Amino acid sequence: DAGVIQSPRHEVTEMGQEVTLRCKPISGHNSLFWYRQTMMRGLELLIYFNNNVPIDDSGMPEDRFSAKMPNASFSTLKIQPSEPRDSAVYFCASRGDGSYEQYFGPGTRLTVT
Amino acid sequence: AQSVAQPEDQVNVAEGNPLTVKCTYSVSGNPYLFWYVQYPNRGLQFLLKYITGDNLVKGSYGFEAEFNKSQTSFHLKKPSALVSDSALYFCAVRDGNNNDMRFGAGTRLTVKP
Repeated sequence: DAGVIQSPRHEVTEMGQEVTLRCKPISGHNSLFWYRQTMMRGLELLIYFNNNVPIDDSGMPEDRFSAKMPNASFSTLKIQPSEPRDSAVYFCASRGDGSYEQYFGPGTRLTVT
Repeated sequence: AQSVAQPEDQVNVAEGNPLTVKCTYSVSGNPYLFWYVQYPNRGLQFLLKYITGDNLVKGSYGFEAEFNKSQTSFHLKKPSALVSDSALYFCAVRDGNNNDMRFGAGTRLTVKP
């Protein structure tokens, strides 16, 4: 299996622009998680989906952030408009039904200037 | 709500010596406990987990961890450290009653030749 796939790996954008991060979970996994990692705040859970349905989005920092999972093999995290404080590494992870551990993608390093 | 504490930001050991990376947790129900490792510019990799059963669990790359319920700890250990073990290590806990996972702040392990 290819593992969790994220794109792009790096994104540099200007403040105010829309940013879309993409994730393809491991085939057959039914839970998907979006995390943000910064030096100051560590690893934060933003939102997670189970069977394509958002279960807990309490970690989403503001209305500028939105996430969707239109089908079992694809999810997006969108930031609109982006701000410099959104600069971080964003990870997607997935977990199979009946499994306990999550498997992480390589991350997207976002820089907002 | 569950939480994890990794009391050491940094652990330094000499190659060939045993290593310990500490973790304590807090949950309201039965804990599911995990260790992940992160190499530079990579996603988190699953090392091992404790769900139930034997308190000593073995994982990838020769690592093991001991669940201690009375001390609410789940320390990561390895009998003989390698330089290639140098990385960032995260402890995580999940309450058996819900789906999300909480990560510690991470401990940077440096193994010197």
